[in-house]
Amino acid sequence: NAGVTQTPKFRVLKTGQSMTLLCAQDMNHEYMYWYRQDPGMGLRLIHYSVGEGTTAKGEVPDGYNVSRLKKQNFLLGLESAAPSQTSVYFCASRPGDADVETQYFGPGTRLLVL
Amino acid sequence: KQEVTQIPAALSVPEGENLVLNCSFTDSAIYNLQWFRQDPGKGLTSLLLIQSSQREQTSGRLNASLDKSSGRSTLYIAASQPGDSATYLCAVSWDFNKFYFGSGTKLNVKP
Repeated sequence: NAGVTQTPKFRVLKTGQSMTLLCAQDMNHEYMYWYRQDPGMGLRLIHYSVGEGTTAKGEVPDGYNVSRLKKQNFLLGLESAAPSQTSVYFCASRPGDADVETQYFGPGTRLLVL
Repeated sequence: KQEVTQIPAALSVPEGENLVLNCSFTDSAIYNLQWFRQDPGKGLTSLLLIQSSQREQTSGRLNASLDKSSGRSTLYIAASQPGDSATYLCAVSWDFNKFYFGSGTKLNVKP
């Protein structure tokens, strides 16, 4: 049981390049989330999903797209990277059961946009 | 606007001291509140979750309280240890789907 995994762990991009971050969970969770964390700030929600095939916008969705084609995977895409997207990206999942609402986090992906 | 605030941003205490971390939030109509721990370069680990109908939750040396009317939660750590050094984040949910995080309190427990 690996929990929540994120790929890659670290990436350097040039302005204008595109990339996809992959989040995978093996806990059969319904809900999945993408956050970004910048120095001195808490986590800010980018997009989230309440089940396979669904996505919704969070606090800071501009410049990002997501897809949840399979229940276990949640992909975050940057179509044209900008230096402002330099950050640490965290994925999280939770069951969606009202009695068990703890979020489980991945180890993070560090992204540097030059 | 729904916001979560944590003060102070950093705290340094000697080993063995009891300490309190603070979290305040706008809009008292919360669904639940969670406290997380984050070690440097790592993801977040859930410590305690308090439902809106609850006043407190306890786990070992940790006790989290919730006062919705004043928009505040506190995380009490008893007999602090160097291994407690980490950043502690508070997250609030005003619906079932989304969570809003504070910026965290970085705790350093000196041996």
